[in-house]
Amino acid sequence: AQTVTQSQPEMSVQEAETVTLSCTYDTSESDYYLFWYKQPPSRQMILVIRQEAYKQQNATENRFSVNFQKAAKSFSLKISDSQLGDAAMYFCAYRSANEGGSEKLVFGKGMKLTVNP
Amino acid sequence: NAGVTQTPKFQVLKTGQSMTLQCAQDMNHEYMSWYRQDPGMGLRLIHYSVGAGITDQGEVPNGYNVSRSTTEDFPLRLLSAAPSQTSVYFCASSYSTFNSEAFFGQGTRLTVV
Repeated sequence: AQTVTQSQPEMSVQEAETVTLSCTYDTSESDYYLFWYKQPPSRQMILVIRQEAYKQQNATENRFSVNFQKAAKSFSLKISDSQLGDAAMYFCAYRSANEGGSEKLVFGKGMKLTVNP
Repeated sequence: NAGVTQTPKFQVLKTGQSMTLQCAQDMNHEYMSWYRQDPGMGLRLIHYSVGAGITDQGEVPNGYNVSRSTTEDFPLRLLSAAPSQTSVYFCASSYSTFNSEAFFGQGTRLTVV
């Protein structure tokens, strides 16, 4: 079974600075997808960014980018120019690309990000 | 533009009571699933469905029941509520393609006293 580990339960960053959230995962599969979800106080789960394992190029979405290291099974999220609205819980998630596993997400335990003005 | 709709948003139950959490999506997604979120535990899969008439158990299925009679609806039933089921429940849906985004409802905060 796949597992996702977020080892830092909390982090803080100053507004306008850069912060990196770490995530590692364990799998024996070669094809899969990785996601970062954001959960603000409203409780809504919002997709931040996704990465296909077969792509070597790291995904980017505006101020958000990932460092995907497949051999190390590492998937960190970098937030540049942090804004107050980035304060939230962040969850790393894994999705298999194989039949019988692709219908579900495996989540890490989450990390609370605080942005200080 | 509704997406995934969950009702109710909040609920308090007494131990032993039963109830149904409703989930509906209007995006014609094949996959639907229920997760529970507990502090320090992340989201854990309760049950999921890959299409109408097809359901299966996730990581923490005990005490819950599901059915999927239509593509749109995927209700979660608590058969006899217990304090251990106090949690926030999320319904999610997605297309069956591997890289498709999962869309989440706004969650139901359930307290069992």
